[in-house]
Amino acid sequence: EVQLLESGGDLVQPGGSLRLSCVASGFVFSTYGMHWVRQAPGKGLEWLSYISGSSSSTYYSDSVKGRFSISRDNADNSLHLQMHSLRVEDTAVYYCARVGRGGYRQLDYWGLGTLVTVSS
Amino acid sequence: DIQMTQSPSSLSASVGDRVIITCRASQSISNYLSWYQQIPGKAPKLLVYGASTLEGGVPTRFSGSGSVTEFTLTINNLQPEDFATYYCQQSDSFPRTFGQGTRVEIK
Repeated sequence: EVQLLESGGDLVQPGGSLRLSCVASGFVFSTYGMHWVRQAPGKGLEWLSYISGSSSSTYYSDSVKGRFSISRDNADNSLHLQMHSLRVEDTAVYYCARVGRGGYRQLDYWGLGTLVTVSS
Repeated sequence: DIQMTQSPSSLSASVGDRVIITCRASQSISNYLSWYQQIPGKAPKLLVYGASTLEGGVPTRFSGSGSVTEFTLTINNLQPEDFATYYCQQSDSFPRTFGQGTRVEIK
């Protein structure tokens, strides 16, 4: 059974840093691309970042480029999002999601999410 | 960036109704379009990918259609568990973008 479990969410002050993790199980992690998506309270889904299975390709939304960094460790089936210079508007539930097979690049499995609150 | 626009933003419907949600892309995305369902407090769930392919385990009352810039999600015989928010997302290019969501409420 495919499972994704995020962790690392916390209350942090503006300007602070936080590192989120997503541990995967039930599939060959290294062969799948992974995304981070977030959802601010009462708002819609916002795509943040993507990393390929080999880490050779990464992409970011303009809203986090230069502040957030995506990485993965295929040896321990983990995905990470390092976040710096956090802003109040970064407050959200952060989800990791897997890219499905078939060539359409859909997000076929999602984690339960981890809450990041940026507030003084 | 490709902008995804859903309509309507919300709708009220009754059990047994047919519901149609539209998603429009600001430029051609071929059929790189997925639909997700989100129940409050839960993670999104994939319903349809490739514009019209139903994800395994998803009830056949859900269907997707369209290509290029115009797409629809149809829910036939609406069930109580279908009251949720639905999002479209393009996977044609980066940055990936979602529609703003369509909330389906009970009439």
